[in-house]
Amino acid sequence: DTGVSQNPRHKITKRGQNVTFRCDPISEHNRLYWYRQTLGQGPEFLTYFQNEAQLEKSRLLSDRFSAERPKGSFSTLEIQRTEQGDSAMYLCASSSGTWTANTEAFFGQGTRLTVV
Amino acid sequence: GIQVEQSPPDLILQEGANSTLRCNFSDSVNNLQWFHQNPWGQLINLFYIPSGTKQNGRLSATTVATERYSLLYISSSQTTDSGVYFCAVGNTGNQFYFGTGTSLTVIP
Repeated sequence: DTGVSQNPRHKITKRGQNVTFRCDPISEHNRLYWYRQTLGQGPEFLTYFQNEAQLEKSRLLSDRFSAERPKGSFSTLEIQRTEQGDSAMYLCASSSGTWTANTEAFFGQGTRLTVV
Repeated sequence: GIQVEQSPPDLILQEGANSTLRCNFSDSVNNLQWFHQNPWGQLINLFYIPSGTKQNGRLSATTVATERYSLLYISSSQTTDSGVYFCAVGNTGNQFYFGTGTSLTVIP
């Protein structure tokens, strides 16, 4: 297994357009996370899945954001009607977990979004 | 959520020097990781260390969970150690909480 894979690595889009990012986790991991990171800040939690169920969403995840993990494998994060404030690095991570604890999480290389 | 504070925020070292980075957290945790963010933005795993001490080459880490802090030691620093170091913690099996990082610059 080659680790967590994210595509695309870079995306430049015009304000108002929709964008979709993909994350392929480590195959045996049941948990998948999305984080967002802006310049000079630590990553901020957006949402996470246990298998195909989306169990928690941050209030950062506005109505324009939607995430899916349809078969408990890969996940997509869609941003509709992008705004300049959406420009950031979007990071995906995976781990194994139970209801009370996680194992070590591994991150992908991220998707850098620039909204112009 | 859990508050995570990292110190110092910035650190400049001469190559060969040693350093200690600190991570304080506001609640009990059962998950703690140290990451190094490379210039391309990827978070590279350094240690998974909810408690105890681990060593990996020139790097070592200690977490004292009862006192709610963790330390990352870098010995004989090299220019390739430059970058941002993050601590991330969790306690419910849900999200990880990140600190704002320590930016390390090692000069030759």
